[in-house]
Amino acid sequence: AQSVTQPDIHITVSEGASLELRCNYSYGATPYLFWYVQSPGQGLQLLLKYFSGDTLVQGIKGFEAEFKRSQSSFNLRKPSVHWSDAAEYFCAVADASGGSYIPTFGRGTSLIVHP
Amino acid sequence: SQTIHQWPATLVQPVGSPLSLECTVEGTSNPNLYWYRQAAGRGLQLLFYSVGIGQISSEVPQNLSASRPQDRQFILSSKKLLLSDSGFYLCAWSKPTGSTDTQYFGPGTRLTVL
Repeated sequence: AQSVTQPDIHITVSEGASLELRCNYSYGATPYLFWYVQSPGQGLQLLLKYFSGDTLVQGIKGFEAEFKRSQSSFNLRKPSVHWSDAAEYFCAVADASGGSYIPTFGRGTSLIVHP
Repeated sequence: SQTIHQWPATLVQPVGSPLSLECTVEGTSNPNLYWYRQAAGRGLQLLFYSVGIGQISSEVPQNLSASRPQDRQFILSSKKLLLSDSGFYLCAWSKPTGSTDTQYFGPGTRLTVL
C-alpha cells in the first residue's frame, strides 16, 4: 500500500525567507503526487500536482515542487515566504497504475511565519 | 465552473444524538464523492467514497454511515454520536475518470460532540 511521510510537523520561517517542505512516499510504481494547503478552519486547496512529464512542477501562489524518483520525494518550495502563507500543508500520493485511485494523505506540516 | 457546498459550517451536538451532514456539488455530473475526517493535529482520514448513486464504500468501520440519494448529493449520518466523532469533516469530489484525478474539497463542517 502507498504511504506518505511528512517528517516535519511544524516549520517556522521568517517572512521573506525561502521555504522547503519535505514529502516522501512509499510506492513501487510511478505515483501521482499532490500538494494541498489548508488555512485555519477551511477546506483544502490544490497548490500543484505531478502526473507525468517535467519533474519540476509550478503551482499557484508562487509554489513549486520537484519529483525525484531516486529519492522518492516530492518537496514543496517557495523562494520568498509571505505572512499569508501560514497554513497547514498536505502532501498526497495516488496510484498511477489504475489501482485504487484515491490519494493517501500525509499528516501535514504546519507552517508558521514570523514577521 | 464547479462548486462544492457543505452545511452546516459548525455543529455542536450532545453525545448520543443523531447527525446529518450534507454535501452538494454543482457544475458537474456523476462525480466521485468522498467524506474525510480531520482530527486535531492529525491528517485526513478517508471515511467513505462513492462512484455513483447508491454506491458507497466504507474505509473505516465505525458508527457513521453515508448515503448518496442523488447524483451530486452526499450525506454523512450517525444514529448516535460518540465523543470521538468530534472533528472537522471534509467533503470532496473528483471527476469520474475511473482513475486518479484531482480532488476538490468543500469548506468543511466543524463538529463538536459534548
